[in-house]
Amino acid sequence: EAGVAQSPRYKIIEKRQSVAFWCNPISGHATLYWYQQILGQGPKLLIQFQNNGVVDDSQLPKDRFSAERLKGVDSTLKIQPAKLEDSAVYLCASSSTGTGAGELFFGEGSRLTVL
Amino acid sequence: EDQVTQSPEALRLQEGESSSLNCSYTVSGLRGLFWYRQDPGKGPEFLFTLYSAGEEKEKERLKATLTKKESFLHITAPKPEDSATYLCAVIGTGGFKTIFGAGTRLFVKA
Repeated sequence: EAGVAQSPRYKIIEKRQSVAFWCNPISGHATLYWYQQILGQGPKLLIQFQNNGVVDDSQLPKDRFSAERLKGVDSTLKIQPAKLEDSAVYLCASSSTGTGAGELFFGEGSRLTVL
Repeated sequence: EDQVTQSPEALRLQEGESSSLNCSYTVSGLRGLFWYRQDPGKGPEFLFTLYSAGEEKEKERLKATLTKKESFLHITAPKPEDSATYLCAVIGTGGFKTIFGAGTRLFVKA
């Protein structure tokens, strides 16, 4: 079974530039998550989708971050404009349970460096 | 608000030296507590789910236990390949979010 795919693995940009990350979850998984993990910290939930609807985006900085899940499968996370404090690993995860009460399957992450 | 605190932040062990990692949690009602392992440059990998106080799960040298306020991850006779960051996470009955702790970085020296 293929795992969660993410791209790009690494991205370096200047502050105020924009960046987009892509995620393809495990086939059949209805729930998709984007987490931000700053070095030395645990993952912090940015947004959670159930199929193509948003379940929770309370910690998403909506003035600069946006996310969408096309047709309930792939998802993109965009940052525009980027700030220095956005430097982090952006993890995508998926789950087969509708309410997110089960285990999460993570991709390898996209490491963003903002200069 | 749901909260997870892990201790210690880092733990250095000699190969074969058993120890425990702690995860204290505050939730309105526990739906599930999870342990994940994260290797450098990788995403977290699921280890265990615990649902109620008194429950225990085992996998090779790892054993997870749960009380009403905390969970322990016991590592018996660790090997260098057990070196990783171990993350604890909870889901409370008040919502659908999985909340992670900051993790414990484990180093096992041969």
